[in-house]
Amino acid sequence: GESVGLHLPTLSVQEGDNSIINCAYSNSASDYFIWYKQESGKGPQFIIDIRSNMDKRQGQRVTVLLNKTVKHLSLQIAATQPGDSAVYFCAENRFGYGQNFVFGPGTRLSVLP
Amino acid sequence: SQTIHQWPATLVQPVGSPLSLECTVEGTSNPNLYWYRQAAGRGLQLLFYSVGIGQISSEVPQNLSASRPQDRQFILSSKKLLLSDSGFYLCAWSNGEVNIQYFGAGTRLSVL
Repeated sequence: GESVGLHLPTLSVQEGDNSIINCAYSNSASDYFIWYKQESGKGPQFIIDIRSNMDKRQGQRVTVLLNKTVKHLSLQIAATQPGDSAVYFCAENRFGYGQNFVFGPGTRLSVLP
Repeated sequence: SQTIHQWPATLVQPVGSPLSLECTVEGTSNPNLYWYRQAAGRGLQLLFYSVGIGQISSEVPQNLSASRPQDRQFILSSKKLLLSDSGFYLCAWSNGEVNIQYFGAGTRLSVL
């Protein structure tokens, strides 16, 4: 597969535990955020999004938390499974409803049996 | 449902050779289309985006160009590849109402 993520920070969690992946963003004007999951050799896959008028949003086994005060975003994965092993990265939109996202470098999640 | 196709999945090309990577989207009309490069340990770098046929915006100066000959077709090209063009290239689409960008499977380009 591709060499994406060779030097990324890694989070290792035990199967069944909860995972928390963090992302700091730099622009206080960003008002829309997305979390992506990228498995080895594949393109990024949309997981969940959140707008700046919310501080929490839940999906299936995932929760995104947004703290605008400290410009911090987190992705929580409940009951982590082996299939959750991947690189996770956040994206922020600096232009409101424009198309120009800024993508973080990502965190590699490794699920231990 | 919408799908995005990107090919080839891997490509090995000699320095100085031309390049053509193709991306097509199905199941939607007038999508916004994007080409990104993904370097190891770094975030996605936007190379080009297009909001319509023949409309291309370039984000960074480079050895590459993009074209959109049809509504749902986006092509990344080069006349002469450089070693530094090696990387993982991703195509993505979004529609005008929702900002979510959906990605293709990517092309791993190795320039030797």
